[in-house]
Amino acid sequence: QQQVKQSPQSLIVQKGGIPIINCAYENTAFDYFPWYQQFPGKGPALLIAIRPDVSEKKEGRFTISFNKSAKQFSLHIMDSQPGDSATYFCAATEFNTDKLIFGTGTRLQVFP
Amino acid sequence: GAGVSQSPRYKVAKRGQDVALRCDPISGHVSLFWYQQALGQGPEFLTYFQNEAQLDKSGLPSDRFFAERPEGSVSTLKIQRTQQEDSAVYLCASDEGSMETQYFGPGTRLLVL
Repeated sequence: QQQVKQSPQSLIVQKGGIPIINCAYENTAFDYFPWYQQFPGKGPALLIAIRPDVSEKKEGRFTISFNKSAKQFSLHIMDSQPGDSATYFCAATEFNTDKLIFGTGTRLQVFP
Repeated sequence: GAGVSQSPRYKVAKRGQDVALRCDPISGHVSLFWYQQALGQGPEFLTYFQNEAQLDKSGLPSDRFFAERPEGSVSTLKIQRTQQEDSAVYLCASDEGSMETQYFGPGTRLLVL
């Protein structure tokens, strides 16, 4: 049973485009929603994270939109660059735990 | 500063062999996690330590998997009698115990033949 559902599985955009990756969850005990970026041969690295008391968070070119009532959140990458080509994972943790529950990942390719 | 390191980076084992995977967390990090990442999938939680105490081992897939962190620093994940389905990347992560940012190591890629 996939606790965090992520789509799309892969995404191809041109440089400067705005890829959007979506995630949905059912567990209302989730209270922390990070996004991780992973390059081939490397471990995931935290990109940006949000808690459910906020509807949007922006850090540089990365923005999370959060819809608590719909139990959905998404990552937007503004002015995407070829260096953003990587696999992106959404994740969630339950209140008072650190255990990360990951989505299945989105492979993003940004072409010049 | 040094990040999380893991060794070996690659391990090839024959089916039935025992393997041991090492994780050196960031110095001073209280929490340590092990995750298993199958090809093309997201990491899946295996187990969690706070200092030397193993507080959650609910993700270990079978009793062939065993993890320890005897002095609250370095951790070892041991897999006994490896099977082909154990082939995956094993990721270690650590954090300050703040329930937020986990820092991941590069992983150990295990291939069981």
